[in-house]
Amino acid sequence: EAGVTQSPTHLIKTRGQQATLRCSPISGHTSVYWYQQALGLGLQFLLWYDEGEERNRGNFPPRFSGRQFPNYSSELNVNALELEDSALYLCASSRDRSETQYFGPGTRLLVL
Amino acid sequence: DAKTTQPPSMDCAEGRAANLPCNHSTISGNEYVYWYRQIHSQGPQYIIHGLKNNETNEMASLIITEDRKSSTLILPHATLRDTAVYYCIVRLYSGAGSYQLTFGKGTKLSVIP
Repeated sequence: EAGVTQSPTHLIKTRGQQATLRCSPISGHTSVYWYQQALGLGLQFLLWYDEGEERNRGNFPPRFSGRQFPNYSSELNVNALELEDSALYLCASSRDRSETQYFGPGTRLLVL
Repeated sequence: DAKTTQPPSMDCAEGRAANLPCNHSTISGNEYVYWYRQIHSQGPQYIIHGLKNNETNEMASLIITEDRKSSTLILPHATLRDTAVYYCIVRLYSGAGSYQLTFGKGTKLSVIP
């Protein structure tokens, strides 16, 4: 069974640009979570999607947004990039909201 | 979610058992204890979880005290590849609320040859 996949693995952008990160959950999983791990900091919860709807978001500005598609894959968009957005962005999926979350390898975003 | 407290770092000799403690004194009755580990900025890897009873799988054992206020993750025969940051997380498992994971600083386990 394939795990959670994320693309791209690395992304380099400049300040003010937009970044789009993608996540494909494990087959059969309907919940997708996004987390940010900035250098030297812990993992911070960003967004949670379940059955196509945004269910909760962490303490991040509105320029962090996303969506979940009918096939349960998900996209994270970061608008008006700032230098401090440089981080490892991790996606996790679970069979349903109460089940174990499994993480993908992450997308490393660098904002110059 | 309840908060957890873990030692910032631990060493373990290769081949010996690694016992990683976690305190979660404010855990609620509808919260699981989860353990994940993260090896050098890879995605966190799920290890094990439990509610009340002790649990064992191919990776580790989880011992939860009877009052559920603390737990211990046991890696029975640590190898160099077990060097990682280990996170103990308490998470809702049923009912209304949010199901995201709240990560603390974890324990940096170094397995020494």
